This record gives sequence, structure tokens and C-alpha cells, in this order.
Amino acid sequence: ELKVEQNPLFLSMQEGKNYTIYCNYSTTSDRLYWYRQDPGKSLESLFVLLSNGAVKQEGRLMASLDTKARLSTLHITAAVHDLSATYFCAVDIDNTDKLIFGTGTRLQVFP
Amino acid sequence: KAGVTQTPRYLIKTRGQQVTLSCSPISGHRSVSWYQQTPGQGLQFLFEYFSETQRNKGNFPGRFSGRQFSNSRSEMNVSTLELGDSALYLCASSPDTRVTQYFGPGTRLLVL
Repeated sequence: ELKVEQNPLFLSMQEGKNYTIYCNYSTTSDRLYWYRQDPGKSLESLFVLLSNGAVKQEGRLMASLDTKARLSTLHITAAVHDLSATYFCAVDIDNTDKLIFGTGTRLQVFP
Repeated sequence: KAGVTQTPRYLIKTRGQQVTLSCSPISGHRSVSWYQQTPGQGLQFLFEYFSETQRNKGNFPGRFSGRQFSNSRSEMNVSTLELGDSALYLCASSPDTRVTQYFGPGTRLLVL
């Protein structure tokens, strides 16, 4: 059974600091998604990574994918309060649209 | 372009009742997926429809069902509600297969 694990589950960081969220998955997949969810809100698409070695950046967030290691990272640079949210990674399996989500990483950025 | 819309946004039901949730995808999107989000189980895939056909199904009991209409709008139905069905139900649409899914605001269901 496919498992998608994220760590850490909870991250409290000071503004201006850097940190990385890790997403490991247990079966082969060539497609990985990152989503953001604000409290009480829906999911907002951040990145889709389509191949080994893919790297995407948007503002202070950068995501990468290593399909051989079955690992994706979401790197946060110089965190600001507006980045406080829960971040989910998700992989699709068997070349379908069935997304398996990670446990989520709740990020809190404080002054 | 309007986003994914879901109705109703909030719902309170009692055990044993049934409920129907509705999802209108982004215009032009043919694929609609449903997910359940709970604090204990996280985000779990329910099913996916494409051009009125169910293509994928998650590991949920038969009480959970869905359908898609010719205009791509989708409904999901839960019969004989249980307390554990209390959750945020999210609908997502995409224009085609294996591309980014865009999520609606969700329907928050509370079963008493």
C-alpha cells in the first residue's frame, strides 16, 4: 500500500529563517504535488513536479523531486508570517488521478 | 474563470440519514475527484469521475457513492450516516488526466 510521509508534522519557525519540509513516498510515482491549506480553507495548488530532478520555485518556496530516492522537499527561504499554513504533498499512483496525500506539515512563522 | 464550487458549505445531519453533496467544476474541466478530510485520517481519496464514468475509487464502504452529469457537475451521496462520516468533503476538478487538480471550498458535514 502506498504511504506518503511528511516530516516534520509541525514546524514553528522564526521569521527570516530557512527550513525544509520532507516528503517520502513508498512506491514509484513520477508526479508529485504540493498544496497549501490555510485554517478552515481549501487546498491551494503550489507546485507540480513531473520528473526526476525537477525543481520549481515561487517566491520564498522551492520544491524539488528525486524519484529514485522517492523524496520531495519543500524549502522555505527567509520565512514570513504569511507562509503560516499547513503544507501537503501528494502523489498519484498507477498513472491515475487518485492522489495520496501526506500527513501534512503545519507551519507557524512567528516574529 | 470561476473556481470549483460546492454546495452546501455546511450541513448538519443525524445518524442514519443520508446526504447529497454537489460540486460544479471549473468550466471546461472534465475530471472531478472527491476527498474526505478528517483530523484523524487526513485527506483520503473517495472517487474520481471523468466524462460521466467512475475511473477510480478509494477504500470507502458502499455507503459512499457518486455520479457525474453530462455537464461535468458531480454529486456524492452518503447513505446511513455514521458519526465517523463527520468531515470536510472536498471536490477537485482538472481539465484532463494527470494534471493539477483544483480544489473547491469544501462541504463541512457534521453528523450528530
